Amino acid sequence: EPEVTQTPSHQVTQMGQEVILRCVPISNHLYFYWYRQILGQKVEFLVSFYNNEISEKSEIFDDQFSVERPDGSNFTLKIRSTKLEDSAMYFCASSGGLVGYTFGSGTRLTVV
Amino acid sequence: GDSVTQMEGPVTLSEEAFLTINCTYTATGYPSLFWYVQYPGEGLQLLLKATKADDKGSNKGFEATYRKETTSFHLEKGSVQVSDSAVYFCALRGEKAGGGNKLTFGTGTQLKVEL
Repeated sequence: EPEVTQTPSHQVTQMGQEVILRCVPISNHLYFYWYRQILGQKVEFLVSFYNNEISEKSEIFDDQFSVERPDGSNFTLKIRSTKLEDSAMYFCASSGGLVGYTFGSGTRLTVV
Repeated sequence: GDSVTQMEGPVTLSEEAFLTINCTYTATGYPSLFWYVQYPGEGLQLLLKATKADDKGSNKGFEATYRKETTSFHLEKGSVQVSDSAVYFCALRGEKAGGGNKLTFGTGTQLKVEL
């Protein structure tokens, strides 16, 4: 069964540093998403991406965040200057435009 | 905006007990509804879904029926096992032409099943 692959599984970074979280969505999917889950809390939508541009973003997704699809397979989330409160599990997901989503297994980001 | 409300956890049950996790939603139009499960240390897995009123989603003994009149999508299982211990998230996907809609999640309900 096709999978969404995320790397790394765990990233530790110092406050103020830039991080890039990587995702390989399912190859024939057209819609890509990032969500985050702060430990013990609900899963929150960050951004959706379609046709090489952001189609929707939440209030969490401020100027410190950016997304990119640099080639035909990768989808990245960049946090420019990390803060302690960015520590969370970040999930990538993709969708073929029908009902179903497929989530990756997540990247646990720890900002110290 | 869209929202999902789930019952608070944790829910602790004995093995073979009946499970109900309540979920209600607020959305315009006809959203699609989902239950996701998150096992300890893992990502989100789709458990079941329903795309229109009166649809019943089912998988691995779990069921949920899309009730438009009560805006609910309660998760049920007749006999839980220790291996069902996980966090369960109810979610909706709004109705919008062209697809690509975000999922809105509930807060999650932790289920603990004991022998």
